[in-house]
Amino acid sequence: AQRVTQPEKLLSVFKGAPVELKCNYSYSGSPELFWYVQYSRQRLQLLLRHISRESIKGFTADLNKGETSFHLKKPFAQEEDSAMYYCALSPISGSARQLTFGSGTQLTVLP
Amino acid sequence: SQTIHQWPATLVQPVGSPLSLECTVEGTSNPNLYWYRQAAGRGLQLLFYSVGIGQISSEVPQNLSASRPQDRQFILSSKKLLLSDSGFYLCAYANTGELFFGEGSRLTVL
Repeated sequence: AQRVTQPEKLLSVFKGAPVELKCNYSYSGSPELFWYVQYSRQRLQLLLRHISRESIKGFTADLNKGETSFHLKKPFAQEEDSAMYYCALSPISGSARQLTFGSGTQLTVLP
Repeated sequence: SQTIHQWPATLVQPVGSPLSLECTVEGTSNPNLYWYRQAAGRGLQLLFYSVGIGQISSEVPQNLSASRPQDRQFILSSKKLLLSDSGFYLCAYANTGELFFGEGSRLTVL
């Protein structure tokens, strides 16, 4: 069975400080990892996926198969980054119904 | 372009009353549709998914049901709500492995 763990329910950092949202997973096959974000009063939406290897809004995430992690990082947090972040996993080329979400981390960036 | 909408946005219902949440998708044909529940501290739980009209798969046993009477319409229902049905419900469709979510419906059962 696949599982996604986000150990921090709440995370607060000051503006300009680095931020890292942790995500660990367990899955026996080859996974595809995602980060979804929900800003206040907005829809839940995809932030980035590991196969794209993109930096979105200054955020990056590297899949570490040895540590089974997919932590989301940003070197300098901004107040507009405050949101709920969900890590998610699916089998490579799997359908969306096979997507497993973590419990989420509420990030607050303080002025 | 593709859009997804769900309503109502908020709903307060007494225990034992019926429920109907509606979701519609525009700009795409035969989408795979999903109903999720977002509970505080518990992430997103997939409740139902549908690959076509009249085709519903349930992921977890529960007090809720889903129907897909039309290609772009997905309905979440209950005949008698329980207190434990309170939560934030999200409808979504999938495209190239990415989920696109509706605005969400917050249900409070009293």
